[in-house]
Amino acid sequence: AQSVTQLDSHVSVSEGTPVLLRCNYSSSYSPSLFWYVQHPNKGLQLLLKYTSAATLVKGINGFEAEFKKSETSFHLTKPSAHMSDAAEYFCVVKPFQGAQKLVFGQGTRLTINP
Amino acid sequence: EAGVAQSPRYKIIEKRQSVAFWCNPISGHATLYWYQQILGQGPKLLIQFQNNGVVDDSQLPKDRFSAERLKGVDSTLKIQPAKLEDSAVYLCASGLGVTDTQYFGPGTRLTVL
Repeated sequence: AQSVTQLDSHVSVSEGTPVLLRCNYSSSYSPSLFWYVQHPNKGLQLLLKYTSAATLVKGINGFEAEFKKSETSFHLTKPSAHMSDAAEYFCVVKPFQGAQKLVFGQGTRLTINP
Repeated sequence: EAGVAQSPRYKIIEKRQSVAFWCNPISGHATLYWYQQILGQGPKLLIQFQNNGVVDDSQLPKDRFSAERLKGVDSTLKIQPAKLEDSAVYLCASGLGVTDTQYFGPGTRLTVL
């Protein structure tokens, strides 16, 4: 079975410091992986996606993620947090590239301290 | 480009009442999804349409939930009768095809009292 585990339910950082949101996945095949962000009362927005091209994926708003097959990880990072980054972040797996169903992690709430 | 539209944004009902949600996908998107997001959890797929046909409804509680996508564009999701545990945000998403990126609407927050 395919699944996604977000290792932290809540991460708190100071503005201007690095952000690390951790995600591990399990998949029997070569998965597609995504990070979505959800601001309060807003829809989910795609930050970035990995589909078996470069293992380091750059997304919007300065975020990037690295696919590490040996560690089955897809951690999300940003060098310098901004107050507007405060939101809920979801790691998502599509078990293989032709799959139709997205499997969501439980989410990580990111808080930015001034 | 207009995004996925959903209405209403908020709905409060008593248990055993009925409720319906509406979704208008991005123009030209053949695939439409309904998700249920319970507080503190990630979204869970309820049903997926390809044009006006159902592709996957394996997690839809069919005794009380129904959905349709007439003419392959707009879609409605109905709950009848509602239970307390149906309190959640109902998200609609659309995509060009089944393997393409999904774009999400703002959601409808349902509270069942």
